[in-house]
Amino acid sequence: EADIYQTPRYLVIGTGKKITLECSQTMGHDKMYWYQQDPGMELHLIHYSYGVNSTEKGDLSSESTVSRIRTEHFPLTLESARPSHTSQYLCASSVTGRSPLHFGNGTRLTVT
Amino acid sequence: GENVEQHPSTLSVQEGDSAVIKCTYSDSASNYFPWYKQELGKRPQLIIDIRSNVGEKKDQRIAVTLNKTAKHFSLHITETQPEDSAVYFCASQAYSGAGSYQLTFGKGTKLSVIP
Repeated sequence: EADIYQTPRYLVIGTGKKITLECSQTMGHDKMYWYQQDPGMELHLIHYSYGVNSTEKGDLSSESTVSRIRTEHFPLTLESARPSHTSQYLCASSVTGRSPLHFGNGTRLTVT
Repeated sequence: GENVEQHPSTLSVQEGDSAVIKCTYSDSASNYFPWYKQELGKRPQLIIDIRSNVGEKKDQRIAVTLNKTAKHFSLHITETQPEDSAVYFCASQAYSGAGSYQLTFGKGTKLSVIP
């Protein structure tokens, strides 16, 4: 089934660890996005990509990085996790920049 | 940049009553206005959207109205049911240059439908 998949669903790690949150979509969408959201709260755009080898930072300053080597894959990496990174991370994709977003189920990250 | 204000932040209604959530935006060039519903522990999902060449759009119990002059748009839910309980986000999209479109979300409204 065409969808957008995020792994892991939940992650608990210690301070200072390097982590990568995975996001893959099977819908052939060019546009992909990462949002940070505390449960039920405001959505903050942290990174987006309009295609392969294209990445931009969003509105919320983030210590994370992203890459877009393949159309379907848009991983997010934290080089050194801190407790302030504890949040939910939502990946999304869209056909064009003017199309609705399709969200993944999110990764709930806890940094101890 | 675009600024989207959403009100109220929380809303409680009795089952069967109507619910209205309002958003205002600042960029007169904004031309696409989606609404997302996020149930507890789940991903946001698009429930309805409207483009600037249309004043109103309806889908069963859900409707969205747009007033471009006043720069505000609203979500209307009629005959509310307990399964309508969720956080609702409005958003506004405008062209931001170099082939890029920027989507700005409101802060969300937590709707509780009381049986």
